[in-house]
Amino acid sequence: DAGVIQSPRHEVTEMGQEVTLRCKPISGHDYLFWYRQTMMRGLELLIYFNNNVPIDDSGMPEDRFSAKMPNASFSTLKIQPSEPRDSAVYFCASRPGQGGYNEQFFGPGTRLTVL
Amino acid sequence: AQSVTQLDSQVPVFEEAPVELRCNYSSSVSVYLFWYVQYPNQGLQLLLKYLSGSTLVKGINGFEAEFNKSQTSFHLRKPSVHISDTAEYFCAAAAQGGSEKLVFGKGTKLTVNP
Repeated sequence: DAGVIQSPRHEVTEMGQEVTLRCKPISGHDYLFWYRQTMMRGLELLIYFNNNVPIDDSGMPEDRFSAKMPNASFSTLKIQPSEPRDSAVYFCASRPGQGGYNEQFFGPGTRLTVL
Repeated sequence: AQSVTQLDSQVPVFEEAPVELRCNYSSSVSVYLFWYVQYPNQGLQLLLKYLSGSTLVKGINGFEAEFNKSQTSFHLRKPSVHISDTAEYFCAAAAQGGSEKLVFGKGTKLTVNP
């Protein structure tokens, strides 16, 4: 399996532009998570999905952020309009749903820079 | 709600020396505990996890951790480190029977020097 795939790996944009980050989870995984990592705040959970349904979006910082999961193999995180304080590394993670508490498998991340 | 505290933000050690990275958690319910490693410019990779049973947990790359309920700790140890262990290490907790959220500590940057 290729693991969790994220694109792009790096994104540089200007303040006010729309940014879309993409994630393909591991096939067969029921849960998908979006995280943001910054030096100041560490690793924060933004939102997670179970079977394509958003379960908890309490970590989404504000209305400029939105996430969708139209099918089991694809999710997007959109920021519109982007601001310099959104600069961070954004990770997607997935995990299977069956049995016990299983580890989350992380993608390589998207490094976002908003100028 | 859970919280995780990693007491050291940076730990420098020499190659082949032992190391301990400290993690304490706070929770009103029982928790699952995890250690993840993040190499430069990569995502997080699971080192080990404690779900139940034996309090001494062995993971990949020679790491182990011990769950201590009375001290609410889950310290990570390795008896002899290598240059390749240089990375950032994250402790995380999740409530048993609760939501699927993992709460992460701020991380400890381990630097192994020759």
